[in-house]
Amino acid sequence: EVQLVESGGGLVQPGGSLRLSCAASGFTFSDNFMDWVRQAPGKGLEWVGRSRNKAKSYTTQYAASVNGRFTVSRDESKNSLYLQMNSLKTDDTAVYYCVRAGLQGGLYIMDVWGQGTTVTVSS
Amino acid sequence: DIQMTQSPSSLSASVGDRVIITCRASQDIDNNLVWFHQQPGRAPKSLMFAASSLQSGVPSRFTGSGSGTDFTLTISSLQPEDFGTYYCHQYKTYPLTFGGGTKVEIK
Repeated sequence: EVQLVESGGGLVQPGGSLRLSCAASGFTFSDNFMDWVRQAPGKGLEWVGRSRNKAKSYTTQYAASVNGRFTVSRDESKNSLYLQMNSLKTDDTAVYYCVRAGLQGGLYIMDVWGQGTTVTVSS
Repeated sequence: DIQMTQSPSSLSASVGDRVIITCRASQDIDNNLVWFHQQPGRAPKSLMFAASSLQSGVPSRFTGSGSGTDFTLTISSLQPEDFGTYYCHQYKTYPLTFGGGTKVEIK
């Protein structure tokens, strides 16, 4: 069974840092793209960033709102995805989801979501 | 950035009703569109990819159509478990973007 389990959320002050983790199982982690998507309280979904697969050298892509502050990385030996968040702002308060983007129809498409971890940025 | 606009933003329907949700992209995305369903307090679940291809395990009462800029998600006979919010998502270009959501309530 494909499973994604996020951890690392919590309360942090504005300007602070936090690292989220996502443990993946049930599929070949290195073959798939992986995304972080967030959802602010009562709001819709916002894509945060992507790690491409091993064949694409795990290159990354980011939303403009987090570019330069957030970093997506992987540890292949641990089948884990990470989101390092620096210079956090109150607007970053959200549930953060780890999402697999599997190969479907020749493209990598979001298909399996973790349960999410909550980040609250507040003084 | 490609803007995704959904309509309506919310609707109320009875069990057994046919429900149609629309999604419009601000530029041509071919058929690079996914539909997600999210129940309150839960993670989104993928229903459809490539605009009209049903994800494995999703009931056949869900159908998707469209290409280019205009897309629809149809639920042929609404069931109680279909309540929640539906989102469209384009994966044609970066940044990846989502529609604002359509909240479906059961009468």
